[in-house]
Amino acid sequence: AAGVIQSPRHLIKEKRETATLKCYPIPRHDTVYWYQQGPGQDPQFLISFYEKMQSDKGSIPDRFSAQQFSDYHSELNMSSLELGDSALYFCASSLARESNTEAFFGQGTRLTVV
Amino acid sequence: GDSVTQMEGPVTLSEEAFLTINCTYTATGYPSLFWYVQYPGEGLQLLLKATKADDKGSNKGFEATYRKETTSFHLEKGSVQVSDSAVYFCALIPTRNSGNTPLVFGKGTRLSVIA
Repeated sequence: AAGVIQSPRHLIKEKRETATLKCYPIPRHDTVYWYQQGPGQDPQFLISFYEKMQSDKGSIPDRFSAQQFSDYHSELNMSSLELGDSALYFCASSLARESNTEAFFGQGTRLTVV
Repeated sequence: GDSVTQMEGPVTLSEEAFLTINCTYTATGYPSLFWYVQYPGEGLQLLLKATKADDKGSNKGFEATYRKETTSFHLEKGSVQVSDSAVYFCALIPTRNSGNTPLVFGKGTRLSVIA
């Protein structure tokens, strides 16, 4: 079965650079979530999209932005990167029509800021 | 707001030992409850879930029962294996009318099983 695809799997950037993370949800899923997981931490919700519109907003810094495109894939854009942005970034997708259904997670993108 | 509290790890057990990882939650209404597992270097995988009080979720020998009266969803396994070594996250979806509510995670519990 198709899963959530994230790219790239690993990314190394320097401080003050920008990064773009991509997420391809499971086919027919209409909701995408982005989470940030620091070393040894629990995943922190950043932002979500339902039918290409922002649905919920969590602890996403102003330096970050995201969008969902017409094909339902989503991109997380990160600017003015800081050392503290080094983390594992997960994308998840779900089908909103099924209330309280679980989210399916991708393998994550490991971002290292040096 | 809604939150999840898990027992702190790490938890180290010998193979075939009994496992319990405690999880309690704070939420209004009737949230759905989940256990996710994260193996080293991998993403989060759903282990089991329960959507209403007294439901029991089970998978791969793991079980958890949704206890409304104690607001708990403790994870148990009768006999752990080395391959169960991972980080376990308890999570909930708050009660809302929409079906696209983000998960709220606990801090995670690292389990190490030694042969």
